[in-house]
Parts: sequence; structure tokens; C-alpha cells
Amino acid sequence: DTEVTQTPKHLVMGMTNKKSLKCEQHMGHRAMYWYKQKAKKPPELMFVYSYEKLSINESVPSRFSPECPNSSLLNLHLHALQPEDSALYLCASSQVQSTGHGYTFGSGTRLTVV
Amino acid sequence: KQEVTQIPAALSVPEGENLVLNCSFTDSAIYNLQWFRQDPGKGLTSLLLIQSSQREQTSGRLNASLDKSSGRSTLYIAASQPGDSATYLCAVRGQAGTALIFGKGTTLSVSS
Repeated sequence: DTEVTQTPKHLVMGMTNKKSLKCEQHMGHRAMYWYKQKAKKPPELMFVYSYEKLSINESVPSRFSPECPNSSLLNLHLHALQPEDSALYLCASSQVQSTGHGYTFGSGTRLTVV
Repeated sequence: KQEVTQIPAALSVPEGENLVLNCSFTDSAIYNLQWFRQDPGKGLTSLLLIQSSQREQTSGRLNASLDKSSGRSTLYIAASQPGDSATYLCAVRGQAGTALIFGKGTTLSVSS
């Protein structure tokens, strides 16, 4: 299995809703990432988990809450989002220390906040 | 702080042309460099990975080079096809355990 699987593919939520994005990989990667991408912009890093511990948090608002239940799963819990949070949310995974292996990205979740 | 720049921002070519996309980075102490392709509204597909100790990698019609000392990488696409139309992103990893830093991408359009 060489894929990162993200669900759902599309999500529409109101500003008072609570929802979660899910990401799964079975490549044995011990680093997992959440990126946010706005239209016609490059991906921006949100969170990094290394060996199931949060290692980088790029000053993301608290309405985004990451969770890494185990080495294969990564969740992003969403609460009280704003319309400007509408974007493509990408999950990725990688080996922690291997120059010969790069990142593998999922196909993303297209989030619309209404 | 690492910064990644891609030139040009957009490129339109007729089918069959060979083309070069450029990527530059400010800190030469990189772990590796990765080229991605992204179709509109889709995720990122990895095209080529170059380790810091390597000079180039090839996959089919794609060839990527790395000159770490000058902070440059190029992606060469031979005999371009309409199906190559997409945004191409260059990303560098600073050291083990750090995250990818992306350039803003080059949007390629190949006309038939």
C-alpha cells in the first residue's frame, strides 16, 4: 500500500458545526502532516506529528485541533470555523529520517464553510 | 528561513516542445528536494525526489537536476503533451524531521 487516504473528499459545514477530517496510511511512515491550500497558492504547513507526538504547530487557530491516535491515523477536528477557512486540506506522510524517501500526499478534502 | 522560488509562474507551449521549469532555494543545507504535479482541485503527485547527495533523477520524459551549492533545481520535460498541463511544485526539506517548504509553482499549459 503506497497511498495516503483522506476522507471525506468534500465537506460543507456551517460555522457552528463540529466535524473531523481523517487521514490514513499503511506505509510505516512515522511522520504525518496537515497542510492547508488556498486556491492558486502553495500548500501551507499546519501541523507535524513525529512518532505520534505533535512536533510542529505553525500558530494555527485553536478552532483546528489535530489528533494522532496511532502511527497510521491522523485526524483534524474542526469547530467554529470561519468562511476564510474554506480550502483544500492535504494530509501527507513520510519517513522521519531518510533522504531517499519523500512525502506522499493524499488527494485532499475540499472544505467549504458556509 | 528557507525560501523557495519558482520561475516562470506560468508557461504556455505547443505540444511537442521540450521545456524547463526552474526552482531556486535560499539555504543550500537541504535534506532532499521533491517535484510534484497538481491538477486543479486535486492532491499532489510526487514526480521526482532528489537526495542532497545526488545531481539528477530521471523518470520517463522527466529529468530533474540539483545544484545544491548554487541553490537551484530544474525540471526538464521532453516532448510535452496536453496531458502534462498542470501546476508543478518544487519543495525542499531542510533536515531530517522538518517539513517541506514549497515554491508557488509553475502552471503549465500545453496546447494540441
